[in-house]
Amino acid sequence: DSGVTQTPKHLITATGQRVTLRCSPRSGDLSVYWYQQSLDQGLQFLIQYYNGEERAKGNILERFSAQQFPDLHSELNLSSLELGDSALYFCASSHGGAPGELFFGEGSRLTVL
Amino acid sequence: GQNIDQPTEMTATEGAIVQINCTYQTSGFNGLFWYQQHAGEAPTFLSYNVLDGLEEKGRFSSFLSRSKGYSYLLLKELQMKDSASYLCAVRDENTDKLIFGTGTRLQVFP
Repeated sequence: DSGVTQTPKHLITATGQRVTLRCSPRSGDLSVYWYQQSLDQGLQFLIQYYNGEERAKGNILERFSAQQFPDLHSELNLSSLELGDSALYFCASSHGGAPGELFFGEGSRLTVL
Repeated sequence: GQNIDQPTEMTATEGAIVQINCTYQTSGFNGLFWYQQHAGEAPTFLSYNVLDGLEEKGRFSSFLSRSKGYSYLLLKELQMKDSASYLCAVRDENTDKLIFGTGTRLQVFP
């Protein structure tokens, strides 16, 4: 158990819909990272937050948005869903602002039908 | 930008030694990481190199050459449970992003 909690573990929805994925970092960790992993693909960096502020941005689509709340949990919002958005979405946390050892949650598996 | 290359798949025999290579190109380098990911599970941290040389941690060792943009992960005394994907990741000094390669899927056979 990494200490990072992600919900929901599985989600099935239809094209055009909107979903929210939630992540609670390890106690004391200030940074939260979101990664997307499609079938047989590597981890694609989406976005990082540090202590409530956006720290780094990767290949995140405009249809996707995220935020980190004062209690440090984070949410990833995916809208106007397309079939290609089906993937495993991982949240990870680390203590500092620069990514060192990341602790990953178990992921949220999104299936868009 | 960044470019990270790893072999897609490797196979090895239980008890043997395997070396997984990673080459990278980045505008600003600030550390190289190796993670292990079993199918359908979360990645877990294995090692971190920021200076040239070899870092040893039990059966696993990781090597870095910054001038060559090259790293390898060495796994000794392979066990069946080592069958997994091994992800090389590079931290960009300028952006602090941690970018992952596509991973090397290792299969260990009896």
